[in-house]
Formats: sequence, structure tokens, C-alpha cells
Amino acid sequence: QKEVEQNSGPLSVPEGAIASLNCTYSDRGSQSFFWYRQYSGKSPELIMSIYSNGDKEDGRFTAQLNKASQYVSLLIRDSQPSDSATYLCAVNTYNTDKLIFGTGTRLQVFP
Amino acid sequence: ETGVTQTPRHLVMGMTNKKSLKCEQHLGHNAMYWYKQSAKKPLELMFVYNFKEQTENNSVPSRFSPECPNSSHLFLHLHTLQPEDSALYLCASSQVTLTSTDTQYFGPGTRLTVL
Repeated sequence: QKEVEQNSGPLSVPEGAIASLNCTYSDRGSQSFFWYRQYSGKSPELIMSIYSNGDKEDGRFTAQLNKASQYVSLLIRDSQPSDSATYLCAVNTYNTDKLIFGTGTRLQVFP
Repeated sequence: ETGVTQTPRHLVMGMTNKKSLKCEQHLGHNAMYWYKQSAKKPLELMFVYNFKEQTENNSVPSRFSPECPNSSHLFLHLHTLQPEDSALYLCASSQVTLTSTDTQYFGPGTRLTVL
């Protein structure tokens, strides 16, 4: 079982719709959760971090964490073509100095 | 300079060459990382340095040799590479405590092509 799992996609949504990206993780000791966006040929950039159960909103982005079910999701409201990218979920577990990355979900927003 | 910088941004080398990639972080972090990302593949963690000490070597071939002289600088020395080593090499840094690590910030990457 992979430590951090994401559907590779592509997830295709029309412009203006809500894109929902999901991530599950295997280690119940995981403490910190991150969503990165990576455009083709570029480096990952941080979108959101979340540390406690519930929702965290930042502009059009909402991260949701459910530790009991071991999943974290990212909602993108009013999706734009410029949101088309690969979204990486990353998880940090207790007492480690590294993040475990998922393989990423490719999002395509069409006009 | 701000954030994490990497040089060179692009590198083309032959299989017999020796070259080095450089990474510098200006964030006051204490941990630095090298990742490899091949075309359409996920990130592969190569090395982790925590307080200048290597804490992870993820079964990386010896033709890749990391060096971390201080918490702000990280090098990746390359020699006798293979064409399959062509990839985007990413450096990242983060602040690590005794029990966890916070957000990793990535540099822009070095696009390496091995002929």
C-alpha cells in the first residue's frame, strides 16, 4: 500500500465549476498536510497547509482534513484554465524530517 | 535573492563529464533536500540533509554525490551519468524540529540532459 495515494487523473472540469481533489494516507501518526501545485516543467509551489481536522479556506481554495478517515482534500471554487496543473498532496509523519508526496492529480479546466 | 535558488537552470552534459548542481536557501531553514523528477513521473526523494548531516540516501547510485557544507548550501556532484538520468532536479528546504518538519519550499529546478 502506497503511503500517500492520489488519483492520477486527468480530472476535467469546466471553467467556473468546483474541482475536488482527494488524497488518502496510510500513517495514522501523520501530523501535517500540504497541497502543492506544479505546472508542467516547473517546480512545485505551496498552495495550502492544514494541521487540524476541519476546513481551511484561502481565497478560492479550501483544504479539508479528516484524520479519522485518513483523507485530505482540496476544493477549488470557480475553476479557471490557469488552474490546470498537477496537484501534489504531501504528508509529514511524526518524528521525520521529510514529506511523503503522492503521485499527483492532473487537473484540466476547459473554457 | 529570496527563497530557494538553483544553478544552473539548464545543463547538458556528456556521459564522461563531471558537473555540479548548486542550491542555496535564504529562508533560515535547517534541512535541505534533493529530488529527481523524470518526465511524467512523480517526485523521487534522493537525499536529505538535516543540520548539515545526511539523514536519507534513498538508494541513489554513487554517480550522484551530495555535499552540504552548511545549512544554506547544498550541492549535487555528477559524474559518469547515464541518459536515463536526464530529468528535472529539484532542491527544497524546510524547518525541521525534533518531531516534525514544516512546509518544504522548492527551488526552480535544474533541467539536466545527459547525451
